[in-house]
Formats: sequence, C-alpha cells, structure tokens
Amino acid sequence: KQEVTQIPAALSVPEGENLVLNCSFTDSAIYNLQWFRQDPGKGLTSLLLIQSSQREQTSGRLNASLDKSSGRSTLYIAASQPGDSATYLCAVTGANSKLTFGKGITLSVRP
Amino acid sequence: DTEVTQTPKHLVMGMTNKKSLKCEQHMGHRAMYWYKQKAKKPPELMFVYSYEKLSINESVPSRFSPECPNSSLLNLHLHALQPEDSALYLCASSRYLLAAHEPEPFNEQFFGPGTRLTVL
Repeated sequence: KQEVTQIPAALSVPEGENLVLNCSFTDSAIYNLQWFRQDPGKGLTSLLLIQSSQREQTSGRLNASLDKSSGRSTLYIAASQPGDSATYLCAVTGANSKLTFGKGITLSVRP
Repeated sequence: DTEVTQTPKHLVMGMTNKKSLKCEQHMGHRAMYWYKQKAKKPPELMFVYSYEKLSINESVPSRFSPECPNSSLLNLHLHALQPEDSALYLCASSRYLLAAHEPEPFNEQFFGPGTRLTVL
C-alpha cells in the first residue's frame, strides 16, 4: 500500500527565504506526482505535476523535482512571501488515477 | 478554463434531511471524483466516475449516493447523514481515468473549492 510522508508538519520562515518542502513515497510505481496548495477551508490548487519520466517542473518561483527510484520529491519555493502561507500537499497517482496524499506541510511566512 | 465549480459553498442539514451537492466542469474531462476532507487531514477518495459510469466506490456508506447525469455534472445526494459526516466535500476532474495499459499521460486532477457540510 502506497504511503506518502511529508515532514515536518509545519514550518515557519521569514519573508524572502528560499525553502524546500520534502515529500517521500514508498511505492515507486507511480504515474505522476502533484503538488497542491490549500488555503484554510478552501479547495486544492494544483501547483505542479511531474510525470514519472520527468525529473523536474518549474512554474514561476516554484520548482518541483522527482527522484522516482528513491521515492522522493521536493518543492522549492524561491524568495518566499507572506502570501505563500498555506498548506502544501504532495500526492502521487497510482492505478485508476487514485491519488494518495501526504498529510501536508503548513507553511507560515513571517513578514 | 481550468475551473471546477461546486455548489453550495456551505450546507447545514439535520440528520433526517435530504440534500444534494453539485459539481460542474467544462474542460471536457471524462473522469470526475468526490473526496471527503476532515479538518487537518488530507482528502480521502469516495467515488470516481469515468465516462459517466461509476468506476470506483471506496466502500462509502449508502447514505452517500453519487450521480453523474452527463459528462460535465457530478452530484452527491445525501440522506440520513450523521454528525461525523461533517467535512469539506471536494470534487475534482481529470482528462480521463488512467489504466495500467495506457501510456503515461499528463493527467492532472483539478479540484473545486469544496462544500463545507455541517450535520446537526
């Protein structure tokens, strides 16, 4: 059974810092990996999707990498801003498009 | 347009009520999903529809009844719910449902804003 782990559960950083959010998964037989952002009480916003054959994807200040063989992904956020404060969820797609989510990392960026 | 819409945004219902949640997408996606999310937990898959047919039911109690009347709409009918069913209900869609024999596609799931359900 696939398990996705995100550590730590919460992170607080000063504005402007570059940061890395980690995600690990136990079964490397995945189709892709998605990073989502969720604001309190809101839905999920897809940030980046990396196919299993890709190594990384970039969107603006975000860069996500994938090392499928080691079961790891990182989300790099450059020059963090208070508006980046949210919960970041990592999810891997297995058979039948089932997403297995990590528990998320709650990020707080201090002004 | 990469938007999934959900109505209502908030719903309060008693345990004897019957209500419905609605989800809509106009991206031409053929797979649609219902998830349940409790506070401070990740979303949990409930149902998946593929080409308007129920493909996955994650052993959800029968008091939750999904319906996919057409390729753009997904409903979740609620009846005789319990207080522990209070949660954020999320709808999602993707181009299609992956299958083991298919080549690897770019099959991103897009989520709606959710319906906050409170059962009294």
